[in-house]
Amino acid sequence: SYELTQPPSVSVSPGQTATITCSGDNLGGRYTCWYQQKPGQSPLLVIYQDEKRPSGIPERFSGSSSGNTATLTISGTQAMDEAHYYCQAWDSYTLWVFGGGTKLTVL
Amino acid sequence: EVQLVESGGALVKPGGSLRLSCAASGFTFRKYWMNWVRQAPGKGLLWVSRITGDATSTMYADSVKGRFTISRDNTKNTLYLQMNSLTVEDTAVYFCTFSLSGYAFDIWGQGTMVTVSS
Repeated sequence: SYELTQPPSVSVSPGQTATITCSGDNLGGRYTCWYQQKPGQSPLLVIYQDEKRPSGIPERFSGSSSGNTATLTISGTQAMDEAHYYCQAWDSYTLWVFGGGTKLTVL
Repeated sequence: EVQLVESGGALVKPGGSLRLSCAASGFTFRKYWMNWVRQAPGKGLLWVSRITGDATSTMYADSVKGRFTISRDNTKNTLYLQMNSLTVEDTAVYFCTFSLSGYAFDIWGQGTMVTVSS
């Protein structure tokens, strides 16, 4: 089955750039999306089709993808961005696959 | 306003059954494929199942295949998940979700908690 791998945790200082990676076989050949989830809340889509932002998502959120890795970048990270982030891709057998999630700490 | 509201979560014993519901509003329900995604306590997201708009096709994650059944009633704008032969590993918050935009899961319910314990 298809698998996506994320680092368990990433730390960033306020105002700095946070980078969260997601790795999977030929991930660059599939569309990746990213979700933000804060404690006790439902996931929120922040990036779809590798790099597009849904309406209402701040410009500081951006995405890219190439080769086996997709990347979520948060520029000028704010305290409110502290959350778990999950990547997701589509696989013809497994259908929707999520990465294990990355806890972003802003300190 | 587009809204999904799950219900039916409960404490159930191993081997037991439960049916979850997801009431949809604010969009043309029958047009959209719907999904269930679950999240075990302190763990990540796991896609569970999906059903097409006309209910002619369903798919399941290997971990629930043969035990869970997804269905929908387009006259009631409601999605269901029948869960049988439950195990402690099925303990999770269950979310219903779908893609309104056509690209990713951009609409989520608030989730309903299922606890399987003796």
